[in-house]
Amino acid sequence: AQKVTQAQTEISVVEKEDVTLDCVYETRDTTYYLFWYKQPPSGELVFLIRRNSFDEQNEISGRYSWNFQKSTSSFNFTITASQVVDSAVYFCALSEATGYALNFGKGTSLLVTP
Amino acid sequence: ETGVTQSPTHLIKTRGQQVTLRCSSQSGHNTVSWYQQALGQGPQFIFQYYREEENGRGNFPPRFSGLQFPNYSSELNVNALELDDSALYLCASSPGAGNQPQHFGDGTRLSIL
Repeated sequence: AQKVTQAQTEISVVEKEDVTLDCVYETRDTTYYLFWYKQPPSGELVFLIRRNSFDEQNEISGRYSWNFQKSTSSFNFTITASQVVDSAVYFCALSEATGYALNFGKGTSLLVTP
Repeated sequence: ETGVTQSPTHLIKTRGQQVTLRCSSQSGHNTVSWYQQALGQGPQFIFQYYREEENGRGNFPPRFSGLQFPNYSSELNVNALELDDSALYLCASSPGAGNQPQHFGDGTRLSIL
């Protein structure tokens, strides 16, 4: 069975601080996909990134960066120089290679204060 | 490019009633998935439709059913509503079944009294 754990329920930082959101996953599959989504108060889930299990390269997109480590089954997300607009709930998700369902963690609520 | 749209935005029903939620997929997307998100939880997969056929189903009872139409829009139907069905229902579309990124709508907030 697949499982995604986001141990941090809530994080509060002051603007311009760096923050890392943790994601640990469990799967028996050798091929799988990992995702991060952002959910602002409006409710819509916004896609941020998808990685497959064979691509362990770290990725950077502006202030966002992702660290994928198969050895520790982790896919962590770092926001550099956080801004108030980054306040949202962030979800990590996992899907099988032949699957269709996104298996989400419980999410981490990030609050960035001025 | 039009994104995923869902209707209605909010809905209030009583136990035992039936409800239909609607979703229009993003332009060019032929796959629609539905998720239920309880307060404070991550979304839970209900089912997926690909080319008008159910393509996979999560751990939800048969009173949760769906349809996909030739224009790839979709409906989620829930019969015999229970208090625990109160949740945000999210629709997502993607350009094909499998592991393409799913793009979500704003959701329908369903409250059961």
